[in-house]
Amino acid sequence: DAKTTQPNSMESNEEEPVHLPCNHSTISGTDYIHWYRQLPSQGPEYVIHGLTSNVNNRMASLAIAEDRKSSTLILHRATLRDAAVYYCILASSGSGYALNFGKGTSLLVTP
Amino acid sequence: GAVVSQHPSRVICKSGTSVKIECRSLDFQATTMFWYRQFPKQSLMLMATSNEGSKATYEQGVEKDKFLINHASLTLSTLTVTSAHPEDSSFYICSARGAQAPTEAFFGQGTRLTVV
Repeated sequence: DAKTTQPNSMESNEEEPVHLPCNHSTISGTDYIHWYRQLPSQGPEYVIHGLTSNVNNRMASLAIAEDRKSSTLILHRATLRDAAVYYCILASSGSGYALNFGKGTSLLVTP
Repeated sequence: GAVVSQHPSRVICKSGTSVKIECRSLDFQATTMFWYRQFPKQSLMLMATSNEGSKATYEQGVEKDKFLINHASLTLSTLTVTSAHPEDSSFYICSARGAQAPTEAFFGQGTRLTVV
């Protein structure tokens, strides 16, 4: 499976935008880019996913580089409830689109 | 979003006994279910993938005779930890996806297993 690389941690001020980067230089043409987040002692929560085009939903935006070797999750206005571990995952048809989690980015939001 | 219910949320069992964890998709048909294990301060580790009516596919290093997975219906999958030992203590999480992969997967709230 193609791997992703994320910073271990990031910090943001409340009500400011947050850009969470993800590198996936070995992505294949049919791999989907998924983002999930997890709060302590809870199951992960879906955030957004995309293939080639940028995506927007009520939670976040996903900006995908033209060569697809990197992507950025954008939280437009961080709140304290957005503090979580964010996982960038490549879902491959070869593995039945199973989600293999890496270490993720721990986002700290300060008031 | 869709709801996946996992039960129990917390269980303590004696060493050598078996524990069953249930995962239900409440408002959609889960063609595929996934089981994960998460140790403290670590990421989720995929244990197995199961498709309804088929045998589960286990990840390398996961003992299929120890972690029995049943996915007999489109709304229910179970994970049974057999002959549990203290090293099996972990946070177990299930995930379910409908037929339209690769759309999002929905996760249960997790089960905290403690083996004493």
